[in-house]
Amino acid sequence: RKEVEQDPGPFNVPEGATVAFNCTYSNSASQSFFWYRQDCRKEPKLLMSVYSSGNEDGRFTAQLNRASQYISLLIRDSKLSDSATYLCVLALYNFNKFYFGSGTKLNVKP
Amino acid sequence: EPEVTQTPSHQVTQMGQEVILRCVPISNHLYFYWYRQILGQKVEFLVSFYNNEISEKSEIFDDQFSVERPDGSNFTLKIRSTKLEDSAMYFCASSPDRDYYGYTFGSGTRLTVV
Repeated sequence: RKEVEQDPGPFNVPEGATVAFNCTYSNSASQSFFWYRQDCRKEPKLLMSVYSSGNEDGRFTAQLNRASQYISLLIRDSKLSDSATYLCVLALYNFNKFYFGSGTKLNVKP
Repeated sequence: EPEVTQTPSHQVTQMGQEVILRCVPISNHLYFYWYRQILGQKVEFLVSFYNNEISEKSEIFDDQFSVERPDGSNFTLKIRSTKLEDSAMYFCASSPDRDYYGYTFGSGTRLTVV
């Protein structure tokens, strides 16, 4: 069973649209959660951490639902520069390693 | 902004050859990691390293792999006898402490085994 599951997409949206990604995880001992963004053939870059209370950073909002074991990312007012693969990432209690989802590809079109 | 630096950016090697991938973590960071990503697949954990020893390693990290911090600044990944299936992007990462929320990745080394 995969630790982290994501819809691979692609999500094709017009500029200005709102788009949401979900991610489910299997291990209830998962401690910390993140969204990373990865451009083609580049390194993953931290977009935001995800907290139980939900958190927002500009156009980006992340939510965590521990009871249902999923996290979400909402992007409002999509920009062309938001086109990338969005990776759901989690860490267990010891933080010795991260588990990555396979990513959800977003294409924002003019 | 501090960076994790990896060299080379691309390495082509013959099957069976040894390769060393190099990383310079951010200077005050204490925890170091190697991950790899086979083309089209997810990022996979290889190994974590702290206080000059391996903290945890994955099933991928078999006897062909080793890590070293030879001089207090570099962090290396050695693959002793490369296989075709070792072809991947290898990312180094570092963090200042274990509870750091999200660590910094280097730009990666693309390893191609032919």
